[in-house]
Formats: sequence, C-alpha cells, structure tokens
Amino acid sequence: SQTIHQWPATLVQPVGSPLSLECTVEGTSNPNLYWYRQAAGRGLQLLFYSVGIGQISSEVPQNLSASRPQDRQFILSSKKLLLSDSGFYLCAWSASRNTGELFFGEGSRLTVL
Amino acid sequence: DAKTTQPPSMDCAEGRAANLPCNHSTISGNEYVYWYRQIHSQGPQYIIHGLKNNETNEMASLIITEDRKSSTLILPHATLRDTAVYYCIVREAYDMRFGAGTRLTVKP
Repeated sequence: SQTIHQWPATLVQPVGSPLSLECTVEGTSNPNLYWYRQAAGRGLQLLFYSVGIGQISSEVPQNLSASRPQDRQFILSSKKLLLSDSGFYLCAWSASRNTGELFFGEGSRLTVL
Repeated sequence: DAKTTQPPSMDCAEGRAANLPCNHSTISGNEYVYWYRQIHSQGPQYIIHGLKNNETNEMASLIITEDRKSSTLILPHATLRDTAVYYCIVREAYDMRFGAGTRLTVKP
C-alpha cells in the first residue's frame, strides 16, 4: 500500500533562518506531488506541484522553493524565513494518471518567531 | 483562485442528512467536481468526485445539476465525527486549489 510521510512534524524557527521540509512517498511510482500551506484559521494555499523529477510548478511568488531530487521525494525550502511563513504545511501525492484524488501527509507545523 | 462558492458554515442535527451546496458557474466541460473534508489539524481527506452524473460511495453522494453549474454533497446520516470543513473543488489539470470551504457542525 502507498504511504506518505513528511517531517519534521513541528518546527520553531527564528526569522531569517533557513527551512527544509521533506516529504517522501512509498508504494507508488511517478506520483504527482504537492506542497500546500494553511495559515491559522485559513484555507489551503497551493504552493508547488510536480509531475516529475526536476519539474516544479510554482503557484505563488514568495521566498519558498521546492525541489524533487528523486521520483518520490519532495522538498520545501527557504533561505530566509519570514514571520508570514508560519503555518501548517501539507505534502500530498496523487497517481500520475492525473487523478484528482490526493493523499495528504500528516503535516508540518512551522512557527517563525 | 478557487472556482467555487460555498457557504462559510452550516449546522446539521446528528442522524439527519447534511446537504452541502457548491456553486461553480464557470465550470468547463472537462473539469471534474471534487469534494474533500478536513478535520481540525489533519490533512484533507478525499470524499467523492464526479463529472456529469450523480455519484455515490460509502461516504457520501454527489448530486450535480444538469447544467453542471452547481452541486450538492450529501452525507445521508451525519454523525458528530462528520464535523469538519468541507471543500468543493473544480479541477481540470494537475493543480488542485482549495477554497475556504464550508464548516459543517453536527450537533447532538
């Protein structure tokens, strides 16, 4: 069966520090991968999605970046965090046959102080 | 920007049917309607999707109007555990965009 894991689960970082959130999927190949962010009390905002290794689509201009170094690995990064980067970050995958059925990870809660 | 409009909140009595509406007046012919829900502090959970025909699964039913400009998600016998934010999404390609959703509160 397929599983998705993301870490760390909780992170407290100072403003201006770097960020790296990692997500891996097991049990499937060539998945579509997604990063979402949810600010407190708000809806989900699509940040990045990827349909293959090295293929990243960015939805919102910001100080975040994403990379997909391997087929089932998706990394969200920042060189310098802002206060507004605080939120709940969710990684998700869907089958490469372009289904809209997304499977979400457990989430990473980031607090920038 | 989400292509859907949903009421911000709804209440439902436990054991009764919950009918959650969604307007998607600009939907195009190739776009599917998806429904997800999110329980507090968890990732969203897929519920159901459809293109033109009504759909039913073990969780819910999806009724899509003939002109496809609106749809209704039906939870036939709501329980307290169905309290969540419900998202209606119109999707054609890879990007799944979630709007604000409807916060459904099931009351005893």
